[in-house]
Amino acid sequence: EPEVTQTPSHQVTQMGQEVILRCVPISNHLYFYWYRQILGQKVEFLVSFYNNEISEKSEIFDDQFSVERPDGSNFTLKIRSTKLEDSAMYFCASSARPSSYEQYFGPGTRLTVT
Amino acid sequence: EDQVTQSPEALRLQEGESSSLNCSYTVSGLRGLFWYRQDPGKGPEFLFTLYSAGEEKEKERLKATLTKKESFLHITAPKPEDSATYLCASRGGSARQLTFGSGTQLTVLP
Repeated sequence: EPEVTQTPSHQVTQMGQEVILRCVPISNHLYFYWYRQILGQKVEFLVSFYNNEISEKSEIFDDQFSVERPDGSNFTLKIRSTKLEDSAMYFCASSARPSSYEQYFGPGTRLTVT
Repeated sequence: EDQVTQSPEALRLQEGESSSLNCSYTVSGLRGLFWYRQDPGKGPEFLFTLYSAGEEKEKERLKATLTKKESFLHITAPKPEDSATYLCASRGGSARQLTFGSGTQLTVLP
């Protein structure tokens, strides 16, 4: 069964460093998303991406965040200068087409900022 | 602003003891009410989508129902392997983003 994959599973970084989180969405899906979940809190939407551009973003997704689809399979989230409060699980999700609202999530990357 | 509230926060059941989880939502122009299962340290696993009041969907011991203000996840004769956090999420209007509730942590004791 096709699934969303994410790497790395755990990333430790120092405050102020740049990190790139990687995702491979399900192969025939067209819509891509990033969500995050701070420990013990709700899953929160960050950004959605379609046709090589951002279609929606939340207030959390400020100038320190960026997304990219560098090739036909990968989808990345970059955090330019990490802060302690960026520590969270980051989930990538994908969905097939406009009429299919189901989003399928990857296993997540645990980001720890020290 | 879309809001999703789940209750109870935690639920402990004996194996075989049926129960229901509640999800109340306030969404402008509901485009879908979603149920996910999340195991510790893992990503949400898709279970169901409900689109309109009165709709029901079933999968093994789980049945999801939808009214105009609430959704219920009914668990019939649960087993210990059903232990997980169950998340409810909504999608409204023209947005593609999901708005999640805080989840119900279900523990099924053998």
